[in-house]
Amino acid sequence: AQSVAQPEDQVNVAEGNPLTVKCTYSVSGNPYLFWYVQYPNRGLQFLLKYITGDNLVKGSYGFEAEFNKSQTSFHLKKPSALVSDSALYFCAVRDAYNTDKLIFGTGTRLQVFP
Amino acid sequence: DAGVTQSPTHLIKTRGQQVTLRCSPKSGHDTVSWYQQALGQGPQFIFQYYEEEERQRGNFPDRFSGHQFPNYSSELNVNALLLGDSALYLCASSSTGQGSTDTQYFGPGTRLTVL
Repeated sequence: AQSVAQPEDQVNVAEGNPLTVKCTYSVSGNPYLFWYVQYPNRGLQFLLKYITGDNLVKGSYGFEAEFNKSQTSFHLKKPSALVSDSALYFCAVRDAYNTDKLIFGTGTRLQVFP
Repeated sequence: DAGVTQSPTHLIKTRGQQVTLRCSPKSGHDTVSWYQQALGQGPQFIFQYYEEEERQRGNFPDRFSGHQFPNYSSELNVNALLLGDSALYLCASSSTGQGSTDTQYFGPGTRLTVL
């Protein structure tokens, strides 16, 4: 069965410092991996995805993520956090060949302090 | 270019009633997926529509049904509402093809409250 784990409910970081939001996954086939961000009372905004190729994926607003097949991880990173990055972040996975549905983690709240 | 739109924004119903939520996909997209996001949880897949047919379904009872129209817009219907159906309902649109690498883009959601 497909699953996603986001081990941290909340991540706190000072503005200007690097940030990492962790995600591990489990699928039976090749994974398609996604990061979305949700602001209060809003839907999900797409940040980036890994399908194949380069393990380092660059996305919107300066975010990037690194796919690590041996550790089944897809951590979200940003070199320098902004207060405006404070939001709820979701990692999601699809099994490439067997399904179209996204399986989401429980989310990680990122709090960036001035 | 309009993104995914959903209506209404908020809805309040009582137990036992029926509700219909609506979604218009992003321009150029022909596939619509529906998700339920309970408070404090990640979104859960309800079902997906393509070519006016339900292509895949998650672990939701038959009280949840849907429809896709020729213009690719979609409706989600929930019958016999329960208190536990209170959630944010998200619609996502994407392009053709099972196994497609295309991204699902989400609308702002409909907040359903069941009293």
